[in-house]
Amino acid sequence: GNSVTQMEGPVTLSEEAFLTINCTYTATGYPSLFWYVQYPGEGLQLLLKATKADDKGSNKGFEATYRKETTSFHLEKGSVQVSDSAVYFCALRKTGNQFYFGTGTSLTVIP
Amino acid sequence: EAGVVQSPRYKIIEKKQPVAFWCNPISGHNTLYWYLQNLGQGPELLIRYENEEAVDDSQLPKDRFSAERLKGVDSTLKIQPAELGDSAVYLCASSSHGQGRTDTQYFGPGTRLTVL
Repeated sequence: GNSVTQMEGPVTLSEEAFLTINCTYTATGYPSLFWYVQYPGEGLQLLLKATKADDKGSNKGFEATYRKETTSFHLEKGSVQVSDSAVYFCALRKTGNQFYFGTGTSLTVIP
Repeated sequence: EAGVVQSPRYKIIEKKQPVAFWCNPISGHNTLYWYLQNLGQGPELLIRYENEEAVDDSQLPKDRFSAERLKGVDSTLKIQPAELGDSAVYLCASSSHGQGRTDTQYFGPGTRLTVL
């Protein structure tokens, strides 16, 4: 079946540290891959996406590369800020508008 | 462009009472989703509409949950009767496909339900 596995949190980093949140997926065919961010009390917001192998999605200093050979879509940021504190969800989209989400990784950035 | 609108934002009810949530998707989005999000978990699909047709409702507990999207625009999700375990955030999302397809879901802020 289709599924997304994220590294478990919570993750706590100091400001300006390097961030990696691992995400691997299981799917047949060629899904699109997404990272969503959820700030406290809010709905999910699209952070970035990639629709085919070797694509790199990027936004607000975050990046993720669609690696079909390792079925991964790890999220990275070179220097995190306090304002990046949120929960991050990895997701995939199959044909037919079916989306599958990971369980989320909570990030706290301390000054 | 207005985003996905949900109401109410918060709802507190006693168990066995009915409750309804409303969602208005982004204009022109023909796909609408209702998700359940428990604390510390990712969204879990309850039902997905393509226009006014429910095309995936396999995870909807049909003994107490119902949904409708009569004109293929806004949608209502109902629980009757509510149980303690229904306390969660109910998220609505929309996306478009076909010409101008975005391949992306846009989420509303959610309705936080507390069942006492």
